[in-house]
Formats: sequence, structure tokens, C-alpha cells
Amino acid sequence: AQSVTQLGSHVSVSEGALVLLRCNYSSSVPPYLFWYVQYPNQGLQLLLKYTTGATLVKGINGFEAEFKKSETSFHLTKPSAHMSDAAEYFCAVSANTNAGKSTFGDGTTLTVKP
Amino acid sequence: EAGVAQSPRYKIIEKRQSVAFWCNPISGHATLYWYQQILGQGPKLLIQFQNNGVVDDSQLPKDRFSAERLKGVDSTLKIQPAKLEDSAVYLCASSSPEDSRSNYGYTFGSGTRLTVV
Repeated sequence: AQSVTQLGSHVSVSEGALVLLRCNYSSSVPPYLFWYVQYPNQGLQLLLKYTTGATLVKGINGFEAEFKKSETSFHLTKPSAHMSDAAEYFCAVSANTNAGKSTFGDGTTLTVKP
Repeated sequence: EAGVAQSPRYKIIEKRQSVAFWCNPISGHATLYWYQQILGQGPKLLIQFQNNGVVDDSQLPKDRFSAERLKGVDSTLKIQPAKLEDSAVYLCASSSPEDSRSNYGYTFGSGTRLTVV
């Protein structure tokens, strides 16, 4: 069984500041981990995913995430927030590379202040 | 490349009525998923198709929900009869083996927002 906990349902940062969205997971098998972004009234878009290999994963729009097995974490970061980053972000875990069968967290809404 | 198309965008029905949602995946995508996203929660997989066959429907409430993908292309999700707790956004997604291996994954539609009153 797998589960995901996203710490903080709302995060607010200033434009240009570091973005850090936290995700902790629980998995009985080696996990595959995903981050998605959802803009208002749109579907989800995959930002990045970790399957195996390098633990630092780079994704689209300047986002990256680091898989830390010892901490069961997969936090999402971006060095400098842009107004267009304002959206809802979902972390997800899967038992395999089939992203479609993931268990999702409840999401974190990112607000970017000018 | 056209995205995943879903219709309608919004639907309001009374409880105990029936409703159907339609999804047209990206051309050539063999895998199609339906998700339920309740307000304040992440999406929950309802059913996965591979071509016109069901791969996983373990979380589909089969007493009231049904889905089909008869020709392996378009898909329809139906709820009959609807309950208040079915109010949610219903998302469709599709993928090909190549997309699922890439870092940029698979594609979601914009969803159908269902309100049951």
C-alpha cells in the first residue's frame, strides 16, 4: 500500500523567492514518484518523475525534486518563483512506472506575490 | 497535436438522475484513464483501459458507475443513479508507451465538473 502526505495545503512566496513544496511518501515497495501541476480549470500536467537512478530529477519550467529514501521525501523546489507558477501542485507515488496508477496527495496551492 | 478532449465542461444534475461524460484521447494513445477529483483532494483512479479492454477498475463503484471504450478510442463514463457525494471533477487522461517512459508523461483533459444537488 502507498500513501502521500503533502505538508502545507497552501504555500505563499514572493516573486523571485525559492519555492519549496514538501512531499513525504509511504510505500511497501521501491517507489516511483511524480509531481504534477494543475492550473485553474485545467487538467494535470506532469512536471517530473523519479523512477530509478539519479535522485535529483529535473523537470519542466525550472522545477526539480530530490528523492531521499532515508527521509521518505520527494520535495519539489524552484530557485526563483515566477507569477506564472501560481497553481496547485500534486505529489504522487506509484509501485511502478505507470503514472496512471499513482496514489495522489491532496495538493498544495502555491500563491506567488508580486 | 490535439489534447485530450472532454465534454461537457460542466454538469449540474439532481440526485438519483443519470449522467454521462465523454472523453476523446490523443490519437494513437492506447491507454486511457478516468479519475475522480473531489474538491480539496488529489485525483483518484476509477478505471484504466488498454485499447478497449479494462486493465484496472478496482476503485470503480460498480453499483452506480460504468465505463466503456468500445472501439479503443473514445470513452464514456456513466453514473446512474447519482449521489450527492459524486460531486467532483472527472478527469480523463491518455498515454502511449513512449509518453509514459518520457519525463513528460501522459496527458490529462480539462475535466468535467459535476455538481449533484
